[in-house]
Amino acid sequence: SQQGEEDPQALSIQEGENATMNCSYKTSINNLQWYRQNSGRGLVHLILIRSNEREKHSGRLRVTLDTSKKSSSLLITASRAADTASYFCVLIQGAQKLVFGQGTRLTINP
Amino acid sequence: DGGITQSPKYLFRKEGQNVTLSCEQNLNHDAMYWYRQDPGQGLRLIYYSQIVNDFQKGDIAEGYSVSREKKESFPLTVTSAQKNPTAFYLCASSKTGGIGGELFFGEGSRLTVL
Repeated sequence: SQQGEEDPQALSIQEGENATMNCSYKTSINNLQWYRQNSGRGLVHLILIRSNEREKHSGRLRVTLDTSKKSSSLLITASRAADTASYFCVLIQGAQKLVFGQGTRLTINP
Repeated sequence: DGGITQSPKYLFRKEGQNVTLSCEQNLNHDAMYWYRQDPGQGLRLIYYSQIVNDFQKGDIAEGYSVSREKKESFPLTVTSAQKNPTAFYLCASSKTGGIGGELFFGEGSRLTVL
């Protein structure tokens, strides 16, 4: 099964700056989800965007989806130290099939 | 509070031993999943279950077994046939097994083979 490819693999920014992570894929999808994982912990669902949606907001998070380019981006505005984590895009391909990418490791420096 | 509980958090095993990882949820979710995560990697699906007494293999089921005798419980057994079992194991559940279901994760179990 084909997974999303996150870019960059690692990102380090200063607190207060915005962080942008991208996810590209090759096959058609039903929708796409973003999850966060703190080191050594379980994953937490952040946001779901459906294939017929272009943009979605949740607090400081903004997700976009461009099905023509087969890509999605996650923007975290006004980053905080607590945002330090790995972020995964998850493709939804048919029922049951959630495919995880390798993630972007985000580090927020104080 | 509702959630998913995995145990143990850390587990050490000698080669050739089977071990069972526990996963319990009180969210009344129908679907449950087991994933494996290796360092710096994403998650790979081992097994999933959409309903009691039914489960399907994921992408890397070889060397693993599961059961789903109760809605709340989905234990994973790592058998001696799994050639490289050292990994972080994550259990998840979703309300239904349908498309786009949000996954709720446990805190994981870290298995180390000595």
